[in-house]
Amino acid sequence: EAQVTQNPRYLITVTGKKLTVTCSQNMNHEYMSWYRQDPGLGLRQIYYSMNVEVTDKGDVPEGYKVSRKEKRNFPLILESPSPNQTSLYFCASSLQGGLYEQYFGPGTRLTVT
Amino acid sequence: SQKIEQNSEALNIQEGKTATLTCNYTNYSPAYLQWYRQDPGRGPVFLLLIRENEKEKRKERLKVTFDTTLKQSLFHITASQPADSATYLCARPSRNAGNMLTFGGGTRLMVKP
Repeated sequence: EAQVTQNPRYLITVTGKKLTVTCSQNMNHEYMSWYRQDPGLGLRQIYYSMNVEVTDKGDVPEGYKVSRKEKRNFPLILESPSPNQTSLYFCASSLQGGLYEQYFGPGTRLTVT
Repeated sequence: SQKIEQNSEALNIQEGKTATLTCNYTNYSPAYLQWYRQDPGRGPVFLLLIRENEKEKRKERLKVTFDTTLKQSLFHITASQPADSATYLCARPSRNAGNMLTFGGGTRLMVKP
């Protein structure tokens, strides 16, 4: 089954404790991206990647890191989480960028206390 | 800024009626727009893509229009059903972010039996 998986689905952590949210897709897609979704602000792009070892900032990259060492994986790293990073996070992939439909993961609900 | 705006107020309609959702954009005219459906707590799911040279696109009970003069896209659901209740998002390619998508805030549709 073609899908995007994220782990963990739910995470409660404390300020400053480094964490990684994993994302994996099995569709051999070139493009992958991370979004956060907050009430009243909609989906906002954090980082995106057009291929292995190619990443770039989206609209809200501050406080986040990503890496793309393999085509299928695109982890999101929060080196020192803060409460304002409490949000619902989605990973997405598409064949070759915006012209193609994006497949979204199930989401990771992160709470930073 | 590259704004894409949707009516943030919920749209309540009666089952069987046609729902019409609006997406307005500013600044540059995108080569295409995409529409997604999102259920609470879940990732968005792709519905339709319409290109700038297509005035209308249909898929089963769904219809999307694209008016580059008005800078607007309309999303219609005919013969609406309670199962159509969800948030609907429109998105356009970002001009300077590798063609990745920028999403509107979404419009929540409630179809009452």
